[in-house]
Amino acid sequence: GESVGLHLPTLSVQEGDNSIINCAYSNSASDYFIWYKQESGKGPQFIIDIRSNMDKRQGQRVTVLLNKTVKHLSLQIAATQPGDSAVYFCAEILIQGAQKLVFGQGTRLTINP
Amino acid sequence: EPEVTQTPSHQVTQMGQEVILRCVPISNHLYFYWYRQILGQKVEFLVSFYNNEISEKSEIFDDQFSVERPDGSNFTLKIRSTKLEDSAMYFCASSGFGQAQHFGDGTRLSIL
Repeated sequence: GESVGLHLPTLSVQEGDNSIINCAYSNSASDYFIWYKQESGKGPQFIIDIRSNMDKRQGQRVTVLLNKTVKHLSLQIAATQPGDSAVYFCAEILIQGAQKLVFGQGTRLTINP
Repeated sequence: EPEVTQTPSHQVTQMGQEVILRCVPISNHLYFYWYRQILGQKVEFLVSFYNNEISEKSEIFDDQFSVERPDGSNFTLKIRSTKLEDSAMYFCASSGFGQAQHFGDGTRLSIL
């Protein structure tokens, strides 16, 4: 069915360490994936995206990996900072055109000093 | 950087009353969306809008809901007769074709 799931609801890392947030998606037809960050009281903020014809994409301190064989997506954040503390959602677009995003439950990332 | 803006930030309404939530999407975007997030839950799709008509709507978006783009800059969500279970954060988003959706900071709707 239509679902985007996340492996862990919470993740705590030490400031300066790298973090990896995982996501599994169910629809092999999805061709576009986006990671969003949501801070308390704010809307989802775009972090990085990747299309199904790629397996890796890098941004500033963030890398997204896509494994279409096992329908798995991950977000790597390098050298985490206190400002990285938030809930992270992966989202997939199931239908081209209407571009409806399907969100997972989210992973709450806590950065410990 | 251009952003999506939403007003009001918080709306308190009596059950059964009508509410209109307002959004100003990013100016060169052509696709517009409403999502909602009940406290502690995931973000859920409500409706997408393109070329002055609804592209897709979810089961949540029943006859009590409507959307409108009354002019070249605003995009509104109307709930005709609010219910207690309509209490949630409502997010507006916009995008270009095949591009990531950008979200506003939401309107917190509280139904009493």
